[in-house]
Amino acid sequence: DTAVSQTPKYLVTQMGNDKSIKCEQNLGHDTMYWYKQDSKKFLKIMFSYNNKELIINETVPNRFSPKSPDKAHLNLHINSLELGDSAVYFCASSPSGGTNTQYFGPGTRLTVL
Amino acid sequence: ELKVEQNPLFLSMQEGKNYTIYCNYSTTSDRLYWYRQDPGKSLESLFVLLSNGAVKQEGRLMASLDTKARLSTLHITAAVHDLSATYFCAGGGGSNYKLTFGKGTLLTVNP
Repeated sequence: DTAVSQTPKYLVTQMGNDKSIKCEQNLGHDTMYWYKQDSKKFLKIMFSYNNKELIINETVPNRFSPKSPDKAHLNLHINSLELGDSAVYFCASSPSGGTNTQYFGPGTRLTVL
Repeated sequence: ELKVEQNPLFLSMQEGKNYTIYCNYSTTSDRLYWYRQDPGKSLESLFVLLSNGAVKQEGRLMASLDTKARLSTLHITAAVHDLSATYFCAGGGGSNYKLTFGKGTLLTVNP
């Protein structure tokens, strides 16, 4: 069973388009995250939700809007895509207690042409 | 704001050799994590270190934490080709939730 899943795995689109990436976790975790990994493999957190409440909102253009319909899902919508948005986007989830280890999804490779 | 620095960023080593990756962080961190990423793949959790002096070992990898020096190390013993990957350390987490990642160390183990 997949723990953290993302769709789509690859996304190729034109500048100016709007696109969404979906994430689901079946680990029963309370907290979910979106990370961006650039071409140099640098990973930076974008957003985090805990029990559907936004708790981390890093300096990200407001073209990016996360939505958490329930604890198991966290989607990322991106408006007016730009070339610089090309990256791999990872979803992750973690439990509230214990080691709080974050478990990552397989990633979505977004290419903006 | 927490900053995490790893070195080296690139490491090419021969099979059978030992080496250490260093991870320094700038301010107090609840805990320290190590992740592995294979090319084109996701991040896999290796270790989480929760307190000063913590040491964790799995196979040929051993991680340790010195909170006074704000330093974690990932030691590789008798490297094998299968260990080739990018290794990230990350600080933060816990009640803060936010993880700050180092830039990663690309490890290549040559036969």
